[in-house]
Amino acid sequence: DTEVTQTPKHLVMGMTNKKSLKCEQHMGHRAMYWYKQKAKKPPELMFVYSYEKLSINESVPSRFSPECPNSSLLNLHLHALQPEDSALYLCASSWGQGALKTQYFGPGTRLLVL
Amino acid sequence: AQSVTQLDSQVPVFEEAPVELRCNYSSSVSVYLFWYVQYPNQGLQLLLKYLSGSTLVESINGFEAEFNKSQTSFHLRKPSVHISDTAEYFCAVSGASGAGSYQLTFGKGTKLSVIP
Repeated sequence: DTEVTQTPKHLVMGMTNKKSLKCEQHMGHRAMYWYKQKAKKPPELMFVYSYEKLSINESVPSRFSPECPNSSLLNLHLHALQPEDSALYLCASSWGQGALKTQYFGPGTRLLVL
Repeated sequence: AQSVTQLDSQVPVFEEAPVELRCNYSSSVSVYLFWYVQYPNQGLQLLLKYLSGSTLVESINGFEAEFNKSQTSFHLRKPSVHISDTAEYFCAVSGASGAGSYQLTFGKGTKLSVIP
């Protein structure tokens, strides 16, 4: 089973709202990722967690706050977003962090910021 | 540093015709190559990958790709496409060393449109 689940599927929020995106995998993977994908573009890496510790933050604005409560779960907390943050947010996981470790993606959360 | 070039942004093809989606990469170290497919309004699904061994890799739904080190290519092919193959296809590379070696570097994507 190579399933990564994400909730919610769709989210509409105002610029003053606080919301969270959730990602879950039960494959025993120890690396988890958040990507942002704008329309007709490839995914862009935002954060990498390895063994529940944040290992990479690709200079993402602080209005995005990741959290990894345990090895199966990854959250992305959103606060005071801008309309340009509207995008598809993808979660991925892999056995570990390294070139040989295939990343498996979830279905994504489509976010609209009004 | 590594990079990926997908030479065609859009490829229209008639149903049951063959198709080739082109991907070239550049890297100064050993690379691992992936093709992902993204159906409309969905996430990315792994289609196939080359890590080592046989340079010809196949997927369960009839696609294949060949790793060609001398031409630095990893083109995706299918002998006969179906309407259901209409999707965006991303080629990606990860490197074997360096601080960013865990990173997947994606190409810009190729939109495959299968015409009935």
